[in-house]
Amino acid sequence: GNSVTQMEGPVTLSEEAFLTINCTYTATGYPSLFWYVQYPGEGLQLLLKATKADDKGSNKGFEATYRKETTSFHLEKGSVQVSDSAVYFCALTSSGSARQLTFGSGTQLTVLP
Amino acid sequence: GAVVSQHPSWVICKSGTSVKIECRSLDFQATTMFWYRQFPKQSLMLMATSNEGSKATYEQGVEKDKFLINHASLTLSTLTVTSAHPEDSSFYICSARKGVDTEAFFGQGTRLTVV
Repeated sequence: GNSVTQMEGPVTLSEEAFLTINCTYTATGYPSLFWYVQYPGEGLQLLLKATKADDKGSNKGFEATYRKETTSFHLEKGSVQVSDSAVYFCALTSSGSARQLTFGSGTQLTVLP
Repeated sequence: GAVVSQHPSWVICKSGTSVKIECRSLDFQATTMFWYRQFPKQSLMLMATSNEGSKATYEQGVEKDKFLINHASLTLSTLTVTSAHPEDSSFYICSARKGVDTEAFFGQGTRLTVV
């Protein structure tokens, strides 16, 4: 079946530091890959996505590249801000008819001023 | 982007009572809605998938008689937690999408506390 493995948190960084959150996946077929962000007490918001190998998703300074050879989709940001503090989830959709989302365990990021 | 609204945002109920949570797609018709449960500091666990006008498909281990899901229209799905107990306390999140290959949009979640 499908699965997503995320770097365990929590991650604490100083403002303007470089961020990497690792994500690897196992899936049949050709999944689409996503990063979602969850702010305290809120639902999930789509941060970025990539639908095929070598695609790069980007949004709000965050980037992730779909690497089929390493089955990875690591999230990066060059300079984090306090407002980036949240929980980040890596996810994929299967190539089956339901295309349900499978989530990783989430990584708590705290950015200190 | 599309908006999915959940109501209520939080609810406290007594053990043994039932609670209904609504999930609405405000500006699009959702052919499919998903219900998730999230425990503190854990990921989202899919509970069930519902398609408008048909019975929900529950994930293994989810009691369909306890978590009643109704998807009566293309803009509304409800989750009713029947005879709630403290172990049902959790954060419940819905998501909705227009079609199979379209993006799923998430509601803001409902914090249920059973006392």
